[in-house]
Amino acid sequence: EADIYQTPRYLVIGTGKKITLECSQTMGHDKMYWYQQDPGMELHLIHYSYGVNSTEKGDLSSESTVSRIRTEHFPLTLESARPSHTSQYLCASSGGGREKLFFGSGTQLSVL
Amino acid sequence: AQSVTQLGSHVSVSEGALVLLRCNYSSSVPPYLFWYVQYPNQGLQLLLKYTTGATLVKGINGFEAEFKKSETSFHLTKPSAHMSDAAEYFCAVSGDTGFQKLVFGTGTRLLVSP
Repeated sequence: EADIYQTPRYLVIGTGKKITLECSQTMGHDKMYWYQQDPGMELHLIHYSYGVNSTEKGDLSSESTVSRIRTEHFPLTLESARPSHTSQYLCASSGGGREKLFFGSGTQLSVL
Repeated sequence: AQSVTQLGSHVSVSEGALVLLRCNYSSSVPPYLFWYVQYPNQGLQLLLKYTTGATLVKGINGFEAEFKKSETSFHLTKPSAHMSDAAEYFCAVSGDTGFQKLVFGTGTRLLVSP
């Protein structure tokens, strides 16, 4: 079944740790996205990718980085986590043009 | 540039009552408009979308929305609320033609009481 997966679902980690949030999709979509969501706030696009070896920063500045080595995989990395990084991170993918986004279930990150 | 305003961070209705969630948008190009729903501890799911053509759009779970260009609105409605409709609803606009960069509103939490 075609889907988009994010792991871990919840992550609690100490300040200064390096973390990687995983995102994989089985739909063969070229375009993938990372959104950041805080309670009561709109979702903000922080990274997106047109395809393999293509990544761009989104509308909201983020200290995280992403990579796209394989079509199905779009991990997000924080080299040194801080409490200000506490948030929900949503991964999404889409087919061509202005088609709808498919979202993963999100990773709730808490940095102590 | 595109933006979305959702009026009301919380909307409370009784089961069986009309649901109305408001969304106004701003776009410098003909917009594509979306409503997404987020249930607790889940990702966003597409309810419905407007691209071109018919301005009244029907989605899943009995929801519909009407695109009104003159009012720059895309309000979401459902004639009769169910308890299972309790969730957070996000309106979004896409103005880019070559890439799906959605701009989301702040969301409206729908509360349904028995």
